[in-house]
Amino acid sequence: DIQMTQSPSSLPASVGDRVTITCQASQDISNYLNWYQQKPGKAPKLLIYDASYLETGVPSRFSGSGSGTDFTFTISSLQPEDIATYYCQQYDNLPLTFGGGTKVEIK
Amino acid sequence: EVQLVESGGGSVQPGGSLRLSCAASGFTFSSYAMSWVRQAPGKGLEWVSAISGSGDSTYYADSVKGRFTISRDNSKNTLYLQMNSLRAEDTAVYYCAKDVVVVTASYFEYWGQGTLVTVSS
Repeated sequence: DIQMTQSPSSLPASVGDRVTITCQASQDISNYLNWYQQKPGKAPKLLIYDASYLETGVPSRFSGSGSGTDFTFTISSLQPEDIATYYCQQYDNLPLTFGGGTKVEIK
Repeated sequence: EVQLVESGGGSVQPGGSLRLSCAASGFTFSSYAMSWVRQAPGKGLEWVSAISGSGDSTYYADSVKGRFTISRDNSKNTLYLQMNSLRAEDTAVYYCAKDVVVVTASYFEYWGQGTLVTVSS
């Protein structure tokens, strides 16, 4: 199975900050990497697919980059509504696997 | 508007069975693969199983292989997960999710609201 290692697990930040989350795959997954946002008590929401493509309707302050084994997710200017847990997910191979999550909190 | 509505969750004793359902609407159900993804209390996301649009191909995580069975009824636009020999570690919120492809599993643009399964004596 492909292991997805996300860091950090917790990220205190202030409104307006640039926030960066990394995700590392245990093997080359090309660009088969997606990012989700999950708010407490809610289902995950797709933000970024194929490493860098913004899902329709998602604000442009969210972005993704990377390929191979190393990926980055960025919020250019953190907004209060962005407080959530973020997960990366690979689909290069089954089983699909998720990173452990990054909880973004207000500092 | 795409809607996915899960049902069938509840409390069950270890070794018991439960069948989850996911009623889909707002899209051509048979044209997309579907998956179940679960989340244990306070934990991360775990993919459980997927099924192709036609229902001919199924895929499972090792943790549930041989105990869970995914199926779909395209005439009823409904996805199922039959869960047998349930264990405490199966306790989780179970989400159904719509894939963007028809055959295998990739990523999920729509999710249901989730249904809680609790396995406890």
